[in-house]
Amino acid sequence: AQSVTQLDSQVPVFEEAPVELRCNYSSSVSVYLFWYVQYPNQGLQLLLKYLSGSTLVESINGFEAEFNKSQTSFHLRKPSVHISDTAEYFCAVSEGSGGSNYKLTFGKGTLLTVNP
Amino acid sequence: NAGVMQNPRHLVRRRGQEARLRCSPMKGHSHVYWYRQLPEEGLKFMVYLQKENIIDESGMPKERFSAEFPKEGPSILRIQQVVRGDSAAYFCASSPTQGSWEKLFFGSGTQLSVL
Repeated sequence: AQSVTQLDSQVPVFEEAPVELRCNYSSSVSVYLFWYVQYPNQGLQLLLKYLSGSTLVESINGFEAEFNKSQTSFHLRKPSVHISDTAEYFCAVSEGSGGSNYKLTFGKGTLLTVNP
Repeated sequence: NAGVMQNPRHLVRRRGQEARLRCSPMKGHSHVYWYRQLPEEGLKFMVYLQKENIIDESGMPKERFSAEFPKEGPSILRIQQVVRGDSAAYFCASSPTQGSWEKLFFGSGTQLSVL
């Protein structure tokens, strides 16, 4: 069975400050890793993903995450946040190449609040 | 091309009533997934359907819950005789094929409140 732990339920930061949202997972098989973002009253949107290859993945709006297999982590970072980054962020994992490669296991989410 | 549409956005039911949640996938998507988010919890997989077939219902409670995705029309998640513990946000997602992560899209969810 897989599980995902997001260590912080809420992260308040000031605009232009750096931020790190932490995510750890456990799995007995190889995994794919994801970060989803949910803005108020909207559905979840894929922010970035790790499937294979380079362990550092980036999104188009300045976020990045690094897959660390030894620490079973996939922390999300941004060097300078904007007010518009205020949202709930979910880390998720799926079986890499197994028969259930359509099923996502989510963490509880981290509410990022960017203050002026 | 409209996104994944879920309705109603909010649904209030009294204990013992039935709840029907609808999900219209994106155009061209024949794979539908339902997830439930209980208060203070992450989303949990419930069921995976492909047109007229249930592929994986391992996350569905054994009783009172059912899902369908008919040849025509939206996917329906049906909860009979609702109880307070069913209060949650229910999310639907769709994709054109299994495992196409870049093309997996979520709806805005249905918030079910059981009084």
